[in-house]
Order: sequence, then C-alpha cells, then structure tokens
Amino acid sequence: DSGVTQTPKHLITATGQRVTLRCSPRSGDLSVYWYQQSLDQGLQFLIQYYNGEERAKGNILERFSAQQFPDLHSELNLSSLELGDSALYFCASSVEHSGNTIYFGEGSWLTVV
Amino acid sequence: GQNIDQPTEMTATEGAIVQINCTYQTSGFNGLFWYQQHAGEAPTFLSYNVLDGLEEKGRFSSFLSRSKGYSYLLLKELQMKDSASYLCATGKLTFGTGTQLKVEL
Repeated sequence: DSGVTQTPKHLITATGQRVTLRCSPRSGDLSVYWYQQSLDQGLQFLIQYYNGEERAKGNILERFSAQQFPDLHSELNLSSLELGDSALYFCASSVEHSGNTIYFGEGSWLTVV
Repeated sequence: GQNIDQPTEMTATEGAIVQINCTYQTSGFNGLFWYQQHAGEAPTFLSYNVLDGLEEKGRFSSFLSRSKGYSYLLLKELQMKDSASYLCATGKLTFGTGTQLKVEL
C-alpha cells in the first residue's frame, strides 16, 4: 500500500458524459500528479499540482481539467468523454515538487462505452 | 527535450541475471528513477539515482552515467515474479514506454 488513495477503482460511462476521479495523496505529500495509461501504452503525464498550485502540464486535453484542494486532495475531471479516453488513470504524490520519489495509487479504470 | 529509450521486450531464465538499459536526453536533469509495474497494477518504486555510479538494493541494482545519458537496471537471481514491465523515468514527469521482462523456467 503506497498510501495514495484513488476513487473510484472502476468506472463505466457512456460517450459524451463527464466523470470525476479523486485522489488523496500520502500524508505529508504536497505534490500530486496525474497520469493516463492506455492499453499497452506507457504512462502519459497529464498534470502536476504542488500545494494547491498547478506546477507542470503535460499533454492534457482541453476536455480534461484538474485541481488540488486546500486539504491537498486532487480531482481530475474528464468531460465529453470519447471511446479513446478509456484507460487506467493513476494519481501519484511526492513530498516536494521535484527530486523526490513519487508513489502511485492503485489507479482508476475508466471504460467509455 | 526528454526522450527516453529502452528495449520493448526482454526474456531471461529463472535464476539468471538481466540488465535493462535506458538512455535519455534531458535538460534540467534531477534524477533517474526505475519503477516496476505488473499488468493492471500501480508502478512501484525500485530505485533512484542522482549521482553517477551503482546503487545496490538486494537483488536489484541501478547504474547511472550522467555524461552519457545512460542508466541500467540489473536484476539478479531472477524469479518468476520478476516478470513485469520496468519503467525508466526522468524528472518524474516523463516515463519510458517500459521494458516488458518475461522470466522463463
């Protein structure tokens, strides 16, 4: 158990819908990262927050957005869902914004039908 | 830019030693990470190198050469449970596509 908690673990939704994935970082970690992993694909970095502020942005689609709240939990919002958005979405956390090990949650499986 | 290259697949025999290589091109280097990922599961941290040289941790060792932009993960006394994908990552934001290691009897 890495200490990073993600909910829901599994989610099935229809195209065009919107979903929210939730992440609680490890106790004491200020930085949260979101990654997307499609079938047989590598981890694609989406976005990073540090202490409530956006720190870095990867290839995140405009239909996706995220935020980190004062209690440091984070949410990833995916809207106008398409079949290709079906993937495993990982949240990870670390103490600082760089130079530290990041620890991954178990992921949220999203299936768009 | 941050380009990470590692072999797509490798096969090794139980009890043997295998070396998984990773080359990277990055500015603002702040460390090289290795993670293990079993299919459908979360990546788990294996090692972190920020200085040149070899870091040994049990059956796993990781090497870094910053001047060459090169790292390797060395797995000794391979076990069947070591069959997994091994991900090389820099700057915590960019992961390689991973090397799928298959350990055979």
